[in-house]
Amino acid sequence: DAGITQSPRHKVTETGTPVTLRCHQTENHRYMYWYRQDPGHGLRLIHYSYGVKDTDKGEVSDGYSVSRSKTEDFLLTLESATSSQTSVYFCAISVTGTSGTHEQFFGPGTRLTVL
Amino acid sequence: DAKTTQPNSMESNEEEPVHLPCNHSTISGTDYIHWYRQLPSQGPEYVIHGLTSNVNNRMASLAIAEDRKSSTLILHRATLRDAAVYYCILRDVGETYKYIFGTGTRLKVLA
Repeated sequence: DAGITQSPRHKVTETGTPVTLRCHQTENHRYMYWYRQDPGHGLRLIHYSYGVKDTDKGEVSDGYSVSRSKTEDFLLTLESATSSQTSVYFCAISVTGTSGTHEQFFGPGTRLTVL
Repeated sequence: DAKTTQPNSMESNEEEPVHLPCNHSTISGTDYIHWYRQLPSQGPEYVIHGLTSNVNNRMASLAIAEDRKSSTLILHRATLRDAAVYYCILRDVGETYKYIFGTGTRLKVLA
């Protein structure tokens, strides 16, 4: 499982409250990603990181911010949660394979409900 | 970002081979073709990838058309545990960071 954990695994919150999701990895991989998954949309990339303090936007970054102050942790923050951010959130890391390509390994997911 | 097109769903009988198609007509010469699958209530997992030549591993085979505009993931003997959503993804060798997943093909395996 590439040593990826996500916390919390489930969260229910109210509209307008801040929420932070944590992704933790134990193997010092450089690249980390946050995705959200909604019915009918597959996985969509929110933000990604290519090193400590190096982050960039993905397809659906509005309403989200990220931080990576150390290699092992990648935090996703919803500054003011909205009902449209109810989703399952997956964290992933990217590992360089023997052929030089990158493979992604995913965490178990966090189910977030915004009421 | 190069896009892929997959059927929304497919069915297969258990113990039979399954061929999952993917069209990627705008593929560039440096795009790798990746396949991932997502079992119910889990995150996606890597299945196989290739660039130009057909590839085999313990999970599946990947057949890539000569013009690279399409590919097929082959499960040689489907089992009930292979029921999942299968994603075909293109990733540019220079785009280290981003995978664009799309909606994938939901495979149903019938006992």
